[in-house]
Amino acid sequence: DTAVSQTPKYLVTQMGNDKSIKCEQNLGHDTMYWYKQDSKKFLKIMFSYNNKELIINETVPNRFSPKSPDKAHLNLHINSLELGDSAVYFCASSRGGQTNEKLFFGSGTQLSVL
Amino acid sequence: DAKTTQPNSMESNEEEPVHLPCNHSTISGTDYIHWYRQLPSQGPEYVIHGLTSNVNNRMASLAIAEDRKSSTLILHRATLRDAAVYYCILYNSGGSNYKLTFGKGTLLTVNP
Repeated sequence: DTAVSQTPKYLVTQMGNDKSIKCEQNLGHDTMYWYKQDSKKFLKIMFSYNNKELIINETVPNRFSPKSPDKAHLNLHINSLELGDSAVYFCASSRGGQTNEKLFFGSGTQLSVL
Repeated sequence: DAKTTQPNSMESNEEEPVHLPCNHSTISGTDYIHWYRQLPSQGPEYVIHGLTSNVNNRMASLAIAEDRKSSTLILHRATLRDAAVYYCILYNSGGSNYKLTFGKGTLLTVNP
């Protein structure tokens, strides 16, 4: 079984639409993350949740809203999509969010906004 | 965030050892040194991490300088599957929110 799984793998949509990306981890971890990798390949953290509670929000536009229904899931909902939102989005998890722990990443969702 | 400096790219031959350097002169005493890699079209993958002592695992070795201002990731025998971008990261322990901040990394090319 895949440890961190994201769906969909590819998402092509029009500007102005609302879309969601789902993420699930079966590792029993308490902390989950969303990262964005832009066209220049820079990976930037967007959000972090610990036990369903938001702990990191890296100045991401309000159009992005993470939702964590339980510890194993962290979904990303994006309203009013813009061209600049095109990127690869990675979900990740770690046991407790401590600095001596490793992160497990999903395989990414490539979002293309036309 | 404490920063790291890595060469943009490196090249190696298959089955030869590879030493990937990383400078982190502003490291704080509690920052862990993490290495991740990202293969083409995949998510980042954990490689190894350490605090002060050298570390070994099945994937690689991490050599940490005595003053902790630099470290080296060692792949003992590079394979074609090791071609990836390698990220050296100081896991930020400042404040109460820990976040893994990626830099530009080193693109490793492995020649057959």
